[in-house]
Amino acid sequence: NAGVTQTPKFQVLKTGQSMTLQCAQDMNHNSMYWYRQDPGMGLRLIYYSASEGTTDKGEVPNGYNVSRLNKREFSLRLESAAPSQTSVYFCASTVWRGATSFFGPGTRLTVL
Amino acid sequence: KNEVEQSPQNLTAQEGEFITINCSYSVGISALHWLQQHPGGGIVSLFMLSSGKKKHGRLIATINIQEKHSSLHITASHPRDSAVYICAVLVIQGAQKLVFGQGTRLTINP
Repeated sequence: NAGVTQTPKFQVLKTGQSMTLQCAQDMNHNSMYWYRQDPGMGLRLIYYSASEGTTDKGEVPNGYNVSRLNKREFSLRLESAAPSQTSVYFCASTVWRGATSFFGPGTRLTVL
Repeated sequence: KNEVEQSPQNLTAQEGEFITINCSYSVGISALHWLQQHPGGGIVSLFMLSSGKKKHGRLIATINIQEKHSSLHITASHPRDSAVYICAVLVIQGAQKLVFGQGTRLTINP
């Protein structure tokens, strides 16, 4: 089992560029999440998908979109990147909301 | 005021010392999680608890629901325990969500 995988691991964008962060899990989990982690702040929820076919906004959704492609995959898209989106992004999955979370290795994104 | 507060923010200790990291929260919760983030950035779940105490190896987590407080203890600390420890609570109200503390950076010197 690979657990939760994320691609890419590092990315540098210019302001206004777009990109998609990919996340996949092979644990047959129902719920998947995207978080961002910034210095001095706790992990903050961007979007989540409680089950296949559903997505909901989290605490900081502005500037992002998501797609739950199937049960395994949950992608995060930045349509027009801004320097404020410079952060480390983590994908996570759980069997059900509130269960033990399994995190991906993270994507370090820099927007210039 | 943050819904989840951890203390201390930074902790440096010598190998072998008994370590305590505290987490206080101000909202109603159904569960509390302790996570570990290693210097390489990866995050792993250590414990999920809703009452009492759990133990795994040298790690012990306790929670007092009435006092809205949890502690993570490390016995016989080792340099490999150096990491950021994160408390997260599953909030009851509305759509259940995890709210994270800012983390406690632990450094264990040999």
